[in-house]
Amino acid sequence: DAKTTQPNSMESNEEEPVHLPCNHSTISGTDYIHWYRQLPSQGPEYVIHGLTSNVNNRMASLAIAEDRKSSTLILHRATLRDAAVYYCIREETSGSRLTFGEGTQLTVNP
Amino acid sequence: SQTIHQWPATLVQPVGSPLSLECTVEGTSNPNLYWYRQAAGRGLQLLFYSVGIGQISSEVPQNLSASRPQDRQFILSSKKLLLSDSGFYLCAWSPGRNYGYTFGSGTRLTVV
Repeated sequence: DAKTTQPNSMESNEEEPVHLPCNHSTISGTDYIHWYRQLPSQGPEYVIHGLTSNVNNRMASLAIAEDRKSSTLILHRATLRDAAVYYCIREETSGSRLTFGEGTQLTVNP
Repeated sequence: SQTIHQWPATLVQPVGSPLSLECTVEGTSNPNLYWYRQAAGRGLQLLFYSVGIGQISSEVPQNLSASRPQDRQFILSSKKLLLSDSGFYLCAWSPGRNYGYTFGSGTRLTVV
């Protein structure tokens, strides 16, 4: 039970922003939200994570809703190399592990 | 800097044969270690994790076992492989909660 819900697939055009949504309506107050992405035949790559405040790094931004029941991963300018499966994951307070769901397959059109 | 090594990259094994996959982490101490499996076209399934030497937690009952004989070494084993054990096996490490995970390059196992 991944406890997050993501769309199966999304499409974007190159050089346009991409907003990848994730619902985690049963999240508890101290669960972190992590995002990873995976290219074919490779291991997942860490993208970003956060708790309550919006987070930014060189790869992306993470916008967390005020009630924390949803979040959005923002890629500011999509490139062809951003085409991957993106996973949104809750890191639960009670455990030292991440449980992956099925993720969102992002297609970037040239 | 920290690095994670996982080998072999690919493996073809007959049904009923044993398995041993090794994962090592360098440049850190007392990492949390994880084994995941990914079937073709599916998401990742957590198999085992360890927060210290000799401490192994199993997420799902299966034909596999894990061991952590040293602080930065994590081994995935099977005594007798099944066809259903085929998949992409990934090792990962983390310094602890609220840190990102770093994954190895994976082992693609085909049981024939």
